[in-house]
Amino acid sequence: DTGVSQDPRHKITKRGQNVTFRCDPISEHNRLYWYRQTLGQGPEFLTYFQNEAQLEKSRLLSDRFSAERPKGSFSTLEIQRTEQGDSAMYLCASSRDYTEAFFGQGTRLTVV
Amino acid sequence: KQEVTQIPAALSVPEGENLVLNCSFTDSAIYNLQWFRQDPGKGLTSLLLIQSSQREQTSGRLNASLDKSSGRSTLYIAASQPGDSATYLCAVLQGAQKLVFGQGTRLTINP
Repeated sequence: DTGVSQDPRHKITKRGQNVTFRCDPISEHNRLYWYRQTLGQGPEFLTYFQNEAQLEKSRLLSDRFSAERPKGSFSTLEIQRTEQGDSAMYLCASSRDYTEAFFGQGTRLTVV
Repeated sequence: KQEVTQIPAALSVPEGENLVLNCSFTDSAIYNLQWFRQDPGKGLTSLLLIQSSQREQTSGRLNASLDKSSGRSTLYIAASQPGDSATYLCAVLQGAQKLVFGQGTRLTINP
C-alpha cells in the first residue's frame, strides 16, 4: 500500500469555475477526512465519511462545496463557482476507528 | 467546543539541543492525541499516536507524553538536527471522531 493519494497536487483555476479533487485512502481504512489549510494555520475540518456515509460536515463548508465517497472507496471534493477565498491546501486523511490517521500530500488550489 | 493550542508558535535552536514542544487542549474527553510533522508545501506525516489510556510514546529521538486530566501533551526531541526543521502539529481525536488541530510550532534547527 502506498498510503493516501491525492490528485491533482496543484490546481490553478479562474474565479467562478468548478473544480474537483480526488482522494484515494489506504485500502482497509473505513474513515476518510477532508481538511483545508491556509498559510500559517493548522488544518481546519471540512467533512468526514465512515465508509460511504458522510457523518459530519463543518459549517465552514458552504453550499458550493460537496463531497462524496461512493462505495466507501475513493472520495471526491467538488467546489462550485470558486472564489479567491477558496485558495488553500486541501488535505485528505484516512484511518480505522480510533487509530492513527494518515494524510495525503494535499492539493494546492489557487483561484485567480 | 474543543480548542487546541500550541506554544510557542515558532522556535529556533542550535543543532544538538534537546527541545520540548507544547500542546494543550480544553476538553479532556479525547480518544487519542497525534503529533504530526509538516514540511513546507507538503502534507502531514504522522510521528506519534498516544491513546487516551497511555502516558507516553517513543519513536527514535522523539518522545511524546500525555496528561489527559490537565489537557496537556509535550513532544520532546532529543539531539536536534537540521533535518528536524519543520512545522509540528498536534491534534486530538474526539467525540464524532474528527481530529482537531492546533496552529502548529514552526521549528528551525540551526547548523
